[in-house]
Amino acid sequence: GAVVSQHPSRVICKSGTSVKIECRSLDFQATTMFWYRQFPKQSLMLMATSNEGSKATYEQGVEKDKFLINHASLTLSTLTVTSAHPEDSSFYICSARVTGGQYFGPGTRLTVT
Amino acid sequence: QKEVEQNSGPLSVPEGAIASLNCTYSDRGSQSFFWYRQYSGKSPELIMFIYSNGDKEDGRFTAQLNKASQYVSLLIRDSQPSDSATYLCAVNGDNNNDMRFGAGTRLTVKP
Repeated sequence: GAVVSQHPSRVICKSGTSVKIECRSLDFQATTMFWYRQFPKQSLMLMATSNEGSKATYEQGVEKDKFLINHASLTLSTLTVTSAHPEDSSFYICSARVTGGQYFGPGTRLTVT
Repeated sequence: QKEVEQNSGPLSVPEGAIASLNCTYSDRGSQSFFWYRQYSGKSPELIMFIYSNGDKEDGRFTAQLNKASQYVSLLIRDSQPSDSATYLCAVNGDNNNDMRFGAGTRLTVKP
């Protein structure tokens, strides 16, 4: 299957700082990538759809100014959590779709102290 | 009504038994159907996809699709403790970017 990587895998930051998470498609080009968030013991929640060369599409209730998405190339999308707060602590997962399915990155566990 | 519905479980089966996971969807125009496995603390992993009515087998896994009933299931034969995970059903609509996930069913296989 297609390989999607994420970096970092785990990050701890202080409240008020910003954190950037990178998502890369390693063996294919992805014009569209998806960003999800998952709280413990809860289901995946789609945050936004990232489109190469254009603005991301955010799901209802997701603050676009807080969760900045940049899809600058066909293999890289970034999610920046700005002015992070403890309630932003979560598991952030990106994914990309190819023929035959949608593949997920390994996820980034964000802890805001 | 949720677009993709799954029984949240937990579903508990003894080792060696058949585990049956079910999923229903509301969009009759849905074209493709996927099953993901998610271990605790990890991201989802694609294990099966099915496009046509009927059964599709891959090793111990069988996906079953019934478009008339808007129902897709996953059977796991000879269940192993390592199969213990949350299984997510996903459905792709007419728009290729419109994949919807169920909330997942937690499966526990007891030794």
